[in-house]
Amino acid sequence: QQQVKQSPQSLIVQKGGISIINCAYENTAFDYFPWYQQFPGKGPALLIAIRPDVSEKKEGRFTISFNKSAKQFSLHIMDSQPGDSATYFCAASMGWGNTPLVFGKGTRLSVIA
Amino acid sequence: NAGVTQTPKFQVLKTGQSMTLQCAQDMNHNSMYWYRQDPGMGLRLIYYSASEGTTDKGEVPNGYNVSRLNKREFSLRLESAAPSQTSVYFCASSDLRVGNQPQHFGDGTRLSIL
Repeated sequence: QQQVKQSPQSLIVQKGGISIINCAYENTAFDYFPWYQQFPGKGPALLIAIRPDVSEKKEGRFTISFNKSAKQFSLHIMDSQPGDSATYFCAASMGWGNTPLVFGKGTRLSVIA
Repeated sequence: NAGVTQTPKFQVLKTGQSMTLQCAQDMNHNSMYWYRQDPGMGLRLIYYSASEGTTDKGEVPNGYNVSRLNKREFSLRLESAAPSQTSVYFCASSDLRVGNQPQHFGDGTRLSIL
């Protein structure tokens, strides 16, 4: 059973547009929700993370929106740039991040000029 | 600042051969992890070590063994490689003693088994 479901699998966005990636989870014990960014040939790197006591977190052009009742969270990339082209993974863990992360299957984002 | 270092970066094995993937971190993290990444499957946890001296199975442990050699090093061993183990393997580390800490990943080992 997949604990974190991520969509879409791939996404093409025009430069300057908004990229939106969605994730849904089943386990209500999850209390830490990070997003990772991965460039080809590299390991994933933390982009932004949120805890369920807030509904939104913004860092520069990147925003996480969190809906606890729906058990969903999403990543919004404003003013998308070609340099944002990468694979994005949502993840979740329990114990305030003190357990291994469970990852979604990833979204390959392509930002075209 | 090296972070998480994985060796080798690439390897080709024949079915039935054995191999150990090495991982070392220099961030004084207490926890280390091994994941495999396959197309369309995301990152799946193989084994992890919450602290030195402990190891636990993850989602896909079959066919693998691990050793937490010391606080810095965590190795993954394939005793008898199978084509289904062709994958990109990532090692990661984090400090579970402090809340909301990210996992830091190495750049992976690309393993092909013929």
